[in-house]
Amino acid sequence: QVQLVESGGGLAKPGGSLRLSCAASGFSFSDYYMSWIRQAPGKGLEWVSYISASGNTIYYAGSVKGRFSISRDNAKNSMLLQLNSLRVEDTAVYFCARDKEPKRSFQTFDYWGQGTVVTVSS
Amino acid sequence: EIVLTQSPVTLSLSPGERATLSCRASQSVGSYLAWYQQKPGQAPRLLIYDSSNRATGIPARFSGSGSGTDFTLTINSLEPEDFAVYYCQQRSDWPPITFGQGTRLEIK
Repeated sequence: QVQLVESGGGLAKPGGSLRLSCAASGFSFSDYYMSWIRQAPGKGLEWVSYISASGNTIYYAGSVKGRFSISRDNAKNSMLLQLNSLRVEDTAVYFCARDKEPKRSFQTFDYWGQGTVVTVSS
Repeated sequence: EIVLTQSPVTLSLSPGERATLSCRASQSVGSYLAWYQQKPGQAPRLLIYDSSNRATGIPARFSGSGSGTDFTLTINSLEPEDFAVYYCQQRSDWPPITFGQGTRLEIK
């Protein structure tokens, strides 16, 4: 069955860095566009970044552009999110999510991981 | 950026009743709107995509409708497991992909 498992969250200081990973299994990872979506404590969902199946096309939310970097390794069935210059407002649960349709951009998410918690505090 | 506004913020109903949740877009999104359900401590679950298509495994009591700027998620005959937070999300004009702020469906 489809599984997405995030890791790498933790406590970081403002200005610090973290690297999040999403390990995928149960489907042909290289066929699917993927996203990171976050949820601040007690708040709604915020899309963060999107990467094409090949990794050649990438988009970021304005709030993270220039600070976060998404990438993927299709040979290892994994996706990464590098978080730099962290701010207190980046505190959230970070979910990785799969696009619903294979081999095309659909921007609707049918499988989600359970999330990894990022806390930014001094 | 397309802003999605959900109403009501909180909806209090009893099991067996019908729930009607609304999502309004700041500009037309065509039919490119999805609905998700989220329970405490869990990841969101896709319910409806492209306004009215139920996702795999979603019960028939969930239905979606609308186009343009006004959308509705209807849940017929509420089950105890349906009480959760619901989000709409648009894919018409992106980036950014945007979500509504959520509607909390609580037991009356």
